[in-house]
Amino acid sequence: DTEVTQTPKHLVMGMTNKKSLKCEQHMGHRAMYWYKQKAKKPPELMFVYSYEKLSINESVPSRFSPECPNSSLLNLHLHALQPEDSALYLCASSQVTQGHEQYFGPGTRLTVT
Amino acid sequence: AQSVTQLGSHVSVSEGALVLLRCNYSSSVPPYLFWYVQYPNQGLQLLLKYTTGATLVKGINGFEAEFKKSETSFHLTKPSAHMSDAAEYFCAVRGFSGGYQKVTFGTGTKLQVIP
Repeated sequence: DTEVTQTPKHLVMGMTNKKSLKCEQHMGHRAMYWYKQKAKKPPELMFVYSYEKLSINESVPSRFSPECPNSSLLNLHLHALQPEDSALYLCASSQVTQGHEQYFGPGTRLTVT
Repeated sequence: AQSVTQLGSHVSVSEGALVLLRCNYSSSVPPYLFWYVQYPNQGLQLLLKYTTGATLVKGINGFEAEFKKSETSFHLTKPSAHMSDAAEYFCAVRGFSGGYQKVTFGTGTKLQVIP
């Protein structure tokens, strides 16, 4: 099984809402990632978890809060977002060691109104 | 530090023609190189990767790429384009940046296939 799943597929939220994005993989990967992708742009790295610990935060605003409850799950909690945060949010996973590719989920299309 | 340059944000080819998407990289350590494809409103799917060994790498859907260290290139080719190849293609390099492993993506090339 080389699948990364993400829920929901689409999300519309107001600027005062609190919502969460979920990601799951069962490939035994111990590195998991959140990316943000705007239209016609490459993915931008947001967070990296390695062995369930946050190892990289690419200076992401605190209105985005990641969580890794266990080795298979990754959440992204959203609060007080801005319209410019509307984007495709991609989750990925990989083995921790070098040279291994990342497997991407289908993404959550987020619209902030 | 590492970087990736994809030449041509849009490439158009006729169905059945050769596909050539260009990628040049910069890396201070031996690079691990990848090509991903993205269809509209979907995630990225790995086409192929180069880590070590054979410099000509074959991937899925008939794509292949050749690692040329002297030219710092990793161009993607397919002998005969199919309509289903129309998508966005990203070249990526995985190396070390700021003390940790990081994947850097190119800006992408949108492939249009003309019937």
